[in-house]
Amino acid sequence: GENVEQHPSTLSVQEGDSAVIKCTYSDSASNYFPWYKQELGKRPQLIIDIRSNVGEKKDQRIAVTLNKTAKHFSLHITETQPEDSAVYFCAPKGAGRRALTFGSGTRLQVQP
Amino acid sequence: DGGITQSPKYLFRKEGQNVTLSCEQNLNHDAMYWYRQDPGQGLRLIYYSQIVNDFQKGDIAEGYSVSREKKESFPLTVTSAQKNPTAFYLCASSSEGDETQYFGPGTRLLVL
Repeated sequence: GENVEQHPSTLSVQEGDSAVIKCTYSDSASNYFPWYKQELGKRPQLIIDIRSNVGEKKDQRIAVTLNKTAKHFSLHITETQPEDSAVYFCAPKGAGRRALTFGSGTRLQVQP
Repeated sequence: DGGITQSPKYLFRKEGQNVTLSCEQNLNHDAMYWYRQDPGQGLRLIYYSQIVNDFQKGDIAEGYSVSREKKESFPLTVTSAQKNPTAFYLCASSSEGDETQYFGPGTRLLVL
């Protein structure tokens, strides 16, 4: 099955700074790479995703970059705001699997 | 993801008791999933179903059972064989050809 590692496990930044979270996966045939945001006690919500034929995708302050050769993809958040504070999960999908495999999460704290 | 509902919000299980968690969606999605989330952890796949009357075990299916008699519904039963059931249970759904999964609000199961 797919092995997924996320780093760092916790990240504290000052408001306005950038944050980067990295996700490493093992299945070279993985073809879908989403990032989910989960606020305390709430459901995970998709914030951005990328497919294997694209290297980078941006949506306002959020971007995802993919390096298929090295088997990792990263979430970039610029101009962080306190409302960005949450746990972020990567969840790559291997080609042979119907479901996502979630990383262990990164707790982002944005200090005002 | 407002089209996926889970009930109850909180559920208490006594020793040796089976309990059933409800998941309903009105998004006309073909695939449905059950995940378990332990405190400070990522989501782990319990079961998933791609079509009615068919379902597959995920990574941690032992002690759980499911049914998929209707497209809209995918109930999860936590049996007495599941010795450590305390967790946050999340249901999700996705449509054919779209990897994006939409999550319900979750059910928190506690053992008395």
